[in-house]
Amino acid sequence: DTQMTQSPSTLSASVGDRVTITCRASQSLPDWLAWYQHKPGKAPKLLIYRVSSLGIGVPSRFSGSGSGTEFTLTISSLQPEDFATYYCQQYNTYPWTFGQGTTVEMK
Amino acid sequence: QVQLQESGPGLVTPSQTLSLTCTVSGGSISSSGYYWTWIRQHPGQGLEWIGYVYRGGTTHYNPSLKSRLSISRDTSKNQFSLELRSLTAADTAVYYCARATLGGALEYWGQGTLVTVSS
Repeated sequence: DTQMTQSPSTLSASVGDRVTITCRASQSLPDWLAWYQHKPGKAPKLLIYRVSSLGIGVPSRFSGSGSGTEFTLTISSLQPEDFATYYCQQYNTYPWTFGQGTTVEMK
Repeated sequence: QVQLQESGPGLVTPSQTLSLTCTVSGGSISSSGYYWTWIRQHPGQGLEWIGYVYRGGTTHYNPSLKSRLSISRDTSKNQFSLELRSLTAADTAVYYCARATLGGALEYWGQGTLVTVSS
């Protein structure tokens, strides 16, 4: 299986901060990587697919980048509604696998 | 707007079989290019891909569950289903259904349903 490791596990930040989350894969992924936002009791939301393409209706403050085995999700200016848990997912090989999650909490 | 809704029992006895259904609205499960997918999240943990059913009924399962798992679809009802056999407490989780596209990105998700395995 392709292991996905996110860092940090928890991130404390304030509204307006620039936030970066890293996801490392145990093997190289062409560009089959997605990012999701998950809030308690709600359905996860697709933010980014194919490393850097924005999902439907996703604000432009979210961006994705990276290649090979290292990828990042950046929130350029954190908004109150962005406090949540974020997951990366690879869909290059089966089984599809997720990172363990990064919780963005209020500082 | 595509919407998915899981349904099924919230409590299942150990060794029994879990049956969950996902009802899709706003789109047809017969359309090509989509993977009708199940994912679960154990309490306090991350997400685990369970498997999917594709057009024509083709399936792909997580090897860790393959021996106990069946995923099927009912195009007449616009639903797809999960059957997981020989349950243990380790199968206690929130189960989500989702539509994957764009190669495997999970574009639309249901709200999830908590399944507890306990006697």
